[in-house]
Amino acid sequence: GENVEQHPSTLSVQEGDSAVIKCTYSDSASNYFPWYKQELGKGPQLIIDIRSNVGEKKDQRIAVTLNKTAKHFSLHITETQPEDSAVYFCAASQGGFQKLVFGTGTRLLVSP
Amino acid sequence: DSGVTQTPKHLITATGQRVTLRCSPRSGDLSVYWYQQSLDQGLQFLIHYYNGEERAKGNILERFSAQQFPDLHSELNLSSLELGDSALYFCASSVDSSETQYFGPGTRLLVL
Repeated sequence: GENVEQHPSTLSVQEGDSAVIKCTYSDSASNYFPWYKQELGKGPQLIIDIRSNVGEKKDQRIAVTLNKTAKHFSLHITETQPEDSAVYFCAASQGGFQKLVFGTGTRLLVSP
Repeated sequence: DSGVTQTPKHLITATGQRVTLRCSPRSGDLSVYWYQQSLDQGLQFLIHYYNGEERAKGNILERFSAQQFPDLHSELNLSSLELGDSALYFCASSVDSSETQYFGPGTRLLVL
């Protein structure tokens, strides 16, 4: 089955810096890759997603890139703010009714 | 706010007991997914229902069961509870076969 690895497990940056979180997946049939942000005591919140027919997608300060050949995808957050501090999860799915397989999460801390 | 609601928010019970967790999907969403989040296992898919029918099972124990009712809300039943069942339980919903899943705030279960 699918396996998703996520790095780093923790990431500390200064406010205004960029943050990059990387994930690799094992199943070449996966074609949908969402990213979720989870704040303390809350459920995962979808922040951006990408499908395999697209190499990059951007939404304001957040961007995701996908390299299908290498089977990895990355989350880029620019101009980080303290409110970006949270745990971020990547996930992969084969689409349709298929389950999401999650990475292990990255705890991002943005210091003022 | 994702539009997905879960009750109760917190649940404390004893080993051997049975509990029921409830989820109401976003308006118009036909699919409900259940996930378990624990420190050692991360976010794990349990089961998926679409319009009242079970569509997929993941790492769900035989002591656990779920159903989706005609009004599309879903319940996850956990029985013969063990200490290791203590975790956060999330449901997510999506529109038919869309991959985009929106998560509820979760139910925190503590088994003593």
